[in-house]
Amino acid sequence: DQQVKQNSPSLSVQEGRISILNCDYTNSMFDYFLWYKKYPAEGPTFLISISSIKDKNEDGRFTVFLNKSAKHLSLHIVPSQPGDSAVYFCAAKWSNTGKLIFGQGTTLQVKP
Amino acid sequence: NAGVTQTPKFQVLKTGQSMTLQCAQDMNHNSMYWYRQDPGMGLRLIYYSASEGTTDKGEVPNGYNVSRLNKREFSLRLESAAPSQTSVYFCASSASQRRGPRQETQYFGPGTRLLVL
Repeated sequence: DQQVKQNSPSLSVQEGRISILNCDYTNSMFDYFLWYKKYPAEGPTFLISISSIKDKNEDGRFTVFLNKSAKHLSLHIVPSQPGDSAVYFCAAKWSNTGKLIFGQGTTLQVKP
Repeated sequence: NAGVTQTPKFQVLKTGQSMTLQCAQDMNHNSMYWYRQDPGMGLRLIYYSASEGTTDKGEVPNGYNVSRLNKREFSLRLESAAPSQTSVYFCASSASQRRGPRQETQYFGPGTRLLVL
């Protein structure tokens, strides 16, 4: 049973446009949500996070939105750059254990 | 400051062989983790160590053992490798495994690509 789902395996956007990556979760016991970025042959690196008590967090070109009623979060990248091409993982943190549950990942391609 | 290092980078095993994947961190972190990444499955937690001297099972622990050798090092052992264990293995660490509404960033190593024939 996948508790954190990224239903789009891939996304392609033009440079300068907005990239929107989506993530759905099923459990209300998650208290933090994180996005990680992964380049080929490298480990994932932390990108941005949001607490479950917030609905938006912004860091430069990256903004994460949380809709608790829909159990949905999204990552917006504006403007998208070719260097943003990578796999993006959504992760949710269990409140009672601190462990992370990851989604399947979405491969973003930003075309010049 | 190397962060999280993993050895080896790549390994080929035959079914039934054993091996140990090594992980070390130099950030003085208390918590360490082992994940595997498979196509379409994301990252799944195999084992973790919330602090030195403790280890616990994650989502997919079968076929693996771990040792938290000291605060810096956390190894993953495959006693009898199976083709289903072909995967990319990532080690990660965080300052602590916080409960409650606090975020604790996990830092990942570069990964070990394992092929079991």
